[in-house]
Amino acid sequence: AQKVTQAQTEISVVEKEDVTLDCVYETRDTTYYLFWYKQPPSGELVFLIRRNSFDEQNEISGRYSWNFQKSTSSFNFTITASQVVDSAVYFCALSETYSGAGSYQLTFGKGTKLSVIP
Amino acid sequence: GAVVSQHPSRVICKSGTSVKIECRSLDFQATTMFWYRQFPKQSLMLMATSNEGSKATYEQGVEKDKFLINHASLTLSTLTVTSAHPEDSSFYICSATGNLRPQQYFGPGTRLTVT
Repeated sequence: AQKVTQAQTEISVVEKEDVTLDCVYETRDTTYYLFWYKQPPSGELVFLIRRNSFDEQNEISGRYSWNFQKSTSSFNFTITASQVVDSAVYFCALSETYSGAGSYQLTFGKGTKLSVIP
Repeated sequence: GAVVSQHPSRVICKSGTSVKIECRSLDFQATTMFWYRQFPKQSLMLMATSNEGSKATYEQGVEKDKFLINHASLTLSTLTVTSAHPEDSSFYICSATGNLRPQQYFGPGTRLTVT
């Protein structure tokens, strides 16, 4: 069975600090996808990144970076120089590969609420 | 990018009435649509998966007679909450995938309040 663990329930940082959100996953599949989503107070999920299991290269997008390590089954997300607008709930999710009906079913972590204090 | 819309964004209804929520994929054919429910301060919980033209597959613990899902076309799925009760008040989110869209694209969500 698939499982995603986000051990940090809530994090508060002062603006301009760096913050890392942890994500640990479990799956028996050898091919899978990992995702991060941002959910601001409005509720709409904002897609941040998708990474497949064969690509362990770290990725950087502006102030955001992701560290994927299969050896530890982790896919951590770092925000550099945090801003108030980064305040939101962040979800890590895992998806198996396409397998017909019910394909791409996502397993979500419980989310980490990030509060950036001015 | 792929766009998924939901309507209405907010709805308030009286206990015992039924409410229909629409989920549309605006620029791609959604062969599979998912419905989630999210209670305050909790994660998204998958309710059901529907494939166009087929009956929906419900997750354990979700009453299929209470949450009616119809996926009649490749761009529209509807969720009807029948005989709604206050405990059905929640944030309902749909998502869609297509053969050429190998990930879920999420709608903006519908906040249902049952009084």
